Amino acid sequence: GNSVTQMEGPVTLSEEAFLTINCTYTATGYPSLFWYVQYPGEGLQLLLKATKADDKGSNKGFEATYRKETTSFHLEKGSVQVSDSAVYFCALSDPLGRDSSYKLIFGSGTRLLVRP
Amino acid sequence: DSGVTQTPKHLITATGQRVTLRCSPRSGDLSVYWYQQSLDQGLQFLIQYYNGEERAKGNILERFSAQQFPDLHSELNLSSLELGDSALYFCASSVEGTSTGELFFGEGSRLTVL
Repeated sequence: GNSVTQMEGPVTLSEEAFLTINCTYTATGYPSLFWYVQYPGEGLQLLLKATKADDKGSNKGFEATYRKETTSFHLEKGSVQVSDSAVYFCALSDPLGRDSSYKLIFGSGTRLLVRP
Repeated sequence: DSGVTQTPKHLITATGQRVTLRCSPRSGDLSVYWYQQSLDQGLQFLIQYYNGEERAKGNILERFSAQQFPDLHSELNLSSLELGDSALYFCASSVEGTSTGELFFGEGSRLTVL
């Protein structure tokens, strides 16, 4: 079945450092890809998404490009801030096989800690 | 604020007991999803409802059941609780379960089984 693999955490960086969190996927067809972020004590919220190959999703300085040839959707940010400390989840849309309905399959999450 | 409301936020109970978790989706959203987040299993899809009808089941145990009511709120019932059921249970909603759609998550209900 479809699946998502993302790098183990925690990732610890100093403020203004460059961030990369790797995400690869296995899927039949052409799923949409997502990055969700979970701040402490909160639910998940969508950070960015890409719906087809070569699309680049971006938001709040974060970017990720849908790479079909390498089945990857790595998250990057040029200069992280302390406020970016959170858990980041890569996800793909997985068809439920009925009425064009989908669910999201999530990776295991990567905790990011940014130090001042 | 995602607009999705979950109650209770925290729940502590004993093994063998039964609990009900409640979710109110965002206004206008017809689709509700339940996910379980545990340390060893990550985020696992449990079940989805659309406009009152069950759409799909994921890794949901037979001891668990859910329903979506005419006013679109949903309840997840967990019975014969075991220690391993301790987890954070998230509800999410969307207008429709499309591949490009965004899920809006509640803050979760943290269940502790002692």
